[in-house]
Amino acid sequence: EDQVTQSPEALRLQEGESSSLNCSYTVSGLRGLFWYRQDPGKGPEFLFTLYSAGEEKEKERLKATLTKKESFLHITAPKPEDSATYLCAVRHTNSNSGYALNFGKGTSLLVTP
Amino acid sequence: ETGVTQTPRHLVMGMTNKKSLKCEQHLGHNAMYWYKQSAKKPLELMFVYSLEERVENNSVPSRFSPECPNSSHLFLHLHTLQPEDSALYLCASSQQEFRGYTFGSGTRLTVV
Repeated sequence: EDQVTQSPEALRLQEGESSSLNCSYTVSGLRGLFWYRQDPGKGPEFLFTLYSAGEEKEKERLKATLTKKESFLHITAPKPEDSATYLCAVRHTNSNSGYALNFGKGTSLLVTP
Repeated sequence: ETGVTQTPRHLVMGMTNKKSLKCEQHLGHNAMYWYKQSAKKPLELMFVYSLEERVENNSVPSRFSPECPNSSHLFLHLHTLQPEDSALYLCASSQQEFRGYTFGSGTRLTVV
């Protein structure tokens, strides 16, 4: 069964303490892996799309990487404003319409001063 | 106004009520989606509309009825809901050349 698993479920960091979030997937025929950030009471906000193993994308303190089985979201020297839930999603060839994304449950990140 | 706008932001309804959620996108996208987000669960795809035609329906109970009158507007009509339907309902849109979704802020639905 196709599956997207995110770990850890929750992560607490001190400001400036770098870490990584993991997203592992078992879908067939990956057509894109997406990272979103979601703040409480709001919809997910797009961060990155990765399409092939070895690809990397960066934005401010965030860097996303992709292998054939997983993706990492590296957070360098985080600040309290980076606190949010980070969602991973994949698009794959088994989707009926080609438009669907399969989401993980997310990682809830809290960065304390 | 830009982006994806959902109304209302919050809705409390009884199990016998009929209500509708509205979504509007100003991005020129031609696919629109309804997702359900419940605590501790992944986002669940409910419906997909591409060029105003429903192309995916993920075994959603008939008490949820979508409507897409044009490429900019999407509705979710609700009737005789159950308490377990309480959740955040998210609307999203995307381009024909798919590059991911743009989400609205969601409607927080509580069924009492």
